[in-house]
Amino acid sequence: DTAVSQTPKYLVTQMGNDKSIKCEQNLGHDTMYWYKQDSKKFLKIMFSYNNKELIINETVPNRFSPKSPDKAHLNLHINSLELGDSAVYFCASSHTNTGFQGYTFGSGTRLTVV
Amino acid sequence: KNQVEQSPQSLIILEGKNCTLQCNYTVSPFSNLRWYKQDTGRGPVSLTIMTFSENTKSNGRYTATLDADTKQSSLHITASQLSDSASYICVVSRSNDYKLSFGAGTTVTVRA
Repeated sequence: DTAVSQTPKYLVTQMGNDKSIKCEQNLGHDTMYWYKQDSKKFLKIMFSYNNKELIINETVPNRFSPKSPDKAHLNLHINSLELGDSAVYFCASSHTNTGFQGYTFGSGTRLTVV
Repeated sequence: KNQVEQSPQSLIILEGKNCTLQCNYTVSPFSNLRWYKQDTGRGPVSLTIMTFSENTKSNGRYTATLDADTKQSSLHITASQLSDSASYICVVSRSNDYKLSFGAGTTVTVRA
């Protein structure tokens, strides 16, 4: 009964490919996020969706496109993958977009671009 | 310069001992401060969330303190266990846009 589930857990792909990472939460939260954790372990916000509406879109290349078919899902599609995209990507959700409530994170997707 | 600085970067302690992790922040205006535990290969899990008016909050063997005047927080782990080996991340939220700022984390290794 995983609260925030991401798939796949590991993804190894070649430069130039297009890939997607899926995220689903069963907590009834109305806000979902994508974070990137780099090699120095910093977690950086990429996108935030509240009730299927984009509310945060940090400076990420437009090769990254989030898609939210409903408020329980927030998928991350990446076009033309580059070596620098290698990182661990975390999906998270919270009850409101105020950010006060605790975030629940998924287990992460380790993306390796070769 | 990151708005949330944690120290030490890493530490090793013997099982049963106590340790204290530090977090200094410059995030303003302040909303709340959270401590997360991240096990290797897993996502961060919330330990505590503290608002401006809270000085101390405990969660089992974890005790967090907050001094909003000096913009410092600490996480104290009492009677450490092997399962405490993880990265501990300090996260501060702004009150105007609730944007989170993450520290780089402190990696704790507990040895038998």
